[in-house]
Amino acid sequence: SQTIHQWPATLVQPVGSPLSLECTVEGTSNPNLYWYRQAAGRGLQLLFYSVGIGQISSEVPQNLSASRPQDRQFILSSKKLLLSDSGFYLCAWSSGTSGRGTQYFGPGTRLTVL
Amino acid sequence: LAKTTQPISMDSYEGQEVNITCSHNNIATNDYITWYQQFPSQGPRFIIQGYKTKVTNEVASLFIPADRKSSTLSLPRVSLSDTAVYYCLVLNFNKFYFGSGTKLNVKP
Repeated sequence: SQTIHQWPATLVQPVGSPLSLECTVEGTSNPNLYWYRQAAGRGLQLLFYSVGIGQISSEVPQNLSASRPQDRQFILSSKKLLLSDSGFYLCAWSSGTSGRGTQYFGPGTRLTVL
Repeated sequence: LAKTTQPISMDSYEGQEVNITCSHNNIATNDYITWYQQFPSQGPRFIIQGYKTKVTNEVASLFIPADRKSSTLSLPRVSLSDTAVYYCLVLNFNKFYFGSGTKLNVKP
């Protein structure tokens, strides 16, 4: 069965510091990968998605970037965090070759920027 | 991508059947209707997906009329643990957008 991991689970960072969140998927090949952010009490905002290694599409221009160095690894980064970057970050995957695009989510990372 | 509209919140009592309706007037021919459940500080969990008529699994039922412009998620005999936010999405492969969802509050 497929499993998706995210780490760290929680993170407190000062404004201006760098960020690196990692997501890995097990049990599948060539997945589509996604990064979402969720503000408190709100829905999910799609940030980036990737259909293959090195292929990144950005949905919202902002202080963040994403990379996919390996087939089942997706990284969310920032060079300098802003207060507005605080939120709940979720990684998700979907089948790249079959299914109806149903996405499966990881446990999330709670980021607080102070 | 079709936009969806659903109630912001609903209240229910344990043991009752809960129906959450979602409207998606601009749904396209190839779009599927998908529902997710999210608990606080957790990622959304896939509940059910359908294209037309009725779909049932061990958790819920999904009713879709012939015109597909709306759908209803039915949760039989809810319990306190069903208190969560429920999202209705219309998707056509690769990416989709979450709204604010329906916050279901189940009372004892």
